[in-house]
Amino acid sequence: DGGITQSPKYLFRKEGQNVTLSCEQNLNHDAMYWYRQDPGQGLRLIYYSQIVNDFQKGDIAEGYSVSREKKESFPLTVTSAQKNPTAFYLCASRDFGNQPQHFGDGTRLSIL
Amino acid sequence: RKEVEQDPGPFNVPEGATVAFNCTYSNSASQSFFWYRQDCRKEPKLLMSVYSSGNEDGRFTAQLNRASQYISLLIRDSKLSDSATYLCAVNYGQAGTALIFGKGTTLSVSS
Repeated sequence: DGGITQSPKYLFRKEGQNVTLSCEQNLNHDAMYWYRQDPGQGLRLIYYSQIVNDFQKGDIAEGYSVSREKKESFPLTVTSAQKNPTAFYLCASRDFGNQPQHFGDGTRLSIL
Repeated sequence: RKEVEQDPGPFNVPEGATVAFNCTYSNSASQSFFWYRQDCRKEPKLLMSVYSSGNEDGRFTAQLNRASQYISLLIRDSKLSDSATYLCAVNYGQAGTALIFGKGTTLSVSS
């Protein structure tokens, strides 16, 4: 089946620890995105990438890092510099042009 | 600052009712507009893309008013299963690079 796969579904982070969230898509989409959603809030853009080996900061990039070594993969690392990481993290991808974004089923990150 | 604003609701309506949500956006250069549906603790799912002045899909109608910079979503004959949060999204940046999402409008349909 074509789609966007995020893993793990739930993740717990200890103080001072970096954690990496996985996002893989087999839709052959060019662009990929990471969003954060806090309870009762909208989606806020963390990072996005339009092509391999290139990515741009979104509105809340501090404390996060990404890589785009392959078209189908866009992992997000939540670093220890992110002091309030508890949130629902959503990965999305989009075909070229003005096509809509489609989302993976998300990763819930909490602090231990 | 680029903004997308939605009335958070909640909108509480009986089955069979017609309900409408509005979404205003600040970037007059925006070209792409979308409505997403998000169920509790789930990912957003695309409901409709909004082209030119509007789009219709069964009980759902989306309209775009560029002059006043808002998009609307009309749901006719509401079903219990329509209960969800509805997010509007508007593109910004070069070639529709990224989307700004509103915070969503919550709909609760009761029997």
